[in-house]
Amino acid sequence: EADIYQTPRYLVIGTGKKITLECSQTMGHDKMYWYQQDPGMELHLIHYSYGVNSTEKGDLSSESTVSRIRTEHFPLTLESARPSHTSQYLCASSPWGGNYGYTFGSGTRLTVV
Amino acid sequence: QQQVKQSPQSLIVQKGGIPIINCAYENTAFDYFPWYQQFPGKGPALLIAIRPDVSEKKEGRFTISFNKSAKQFSLHIMDSQPGDSATYFCAASPQTGANNLFFGTGTRLTVIP
Repeated sequence: EADIYQTPRYLVIGTGKKITLECSQTMGHDKMYWYQQDPGMELHLIHYSYGVNSTEKGDLSSESTVSRIRTEHFPLTLESARPSHTSQYLCASSPWGGNYGYTFGSGTRLTVV
Repeated sequence: QQQVKQSPQSLIVQKGGIPIINCAYENTAFDYFPWYQQFPGKGPALLIAIRPDVSEKKEGRFTISFNKSAKQFSLHIMDSQPGDSATYFCAASPQTGANNLFFGTGTRLTVIP
């Protein structure tokens, strides 16, 4: 049973629209991450957070923004979607302290037309 | 700069074969080495992990071999099955700091019946 939930699973949206991808986890993890991935390809870190009110940009430049107002919630927002944003977006979380690995959500497959 | 180098990019084996996926790293501060398995349309899931105090770890048909002096580790899948067809990611994280994972670029494995 997945403890980290991403919605929607699939989204097709027109260019210029504002979208928010939701990510919630029930494990009380402090650390949360957003990755961008083309199907079956490399994982690119775009944002991460170490706790409430903490957000950082990742290795891959992204036009998206994130917020962390509650521990369990880490939404990603695109103010103006473009076809180049078409990709799979994966959310992950991990507890603080020690090496525990990440728990990933099932992802949101975004298509911008 | 890729912190964890993974090869091959893709691999095709017959059912019953033993695919081997290799990873290498340079950062001697890394001390946790997990492998993730990702099926199409799903997020990566933790498969098996090793710490550098052991040279081998087995879980079912999956084995990690670890060579600390060479800074290399590999995943072996014994008696591979078509259901093992997936993308596999190696990763590494340091003991200190935020323990963030650095992922390899992924290996797409196909097991032919």
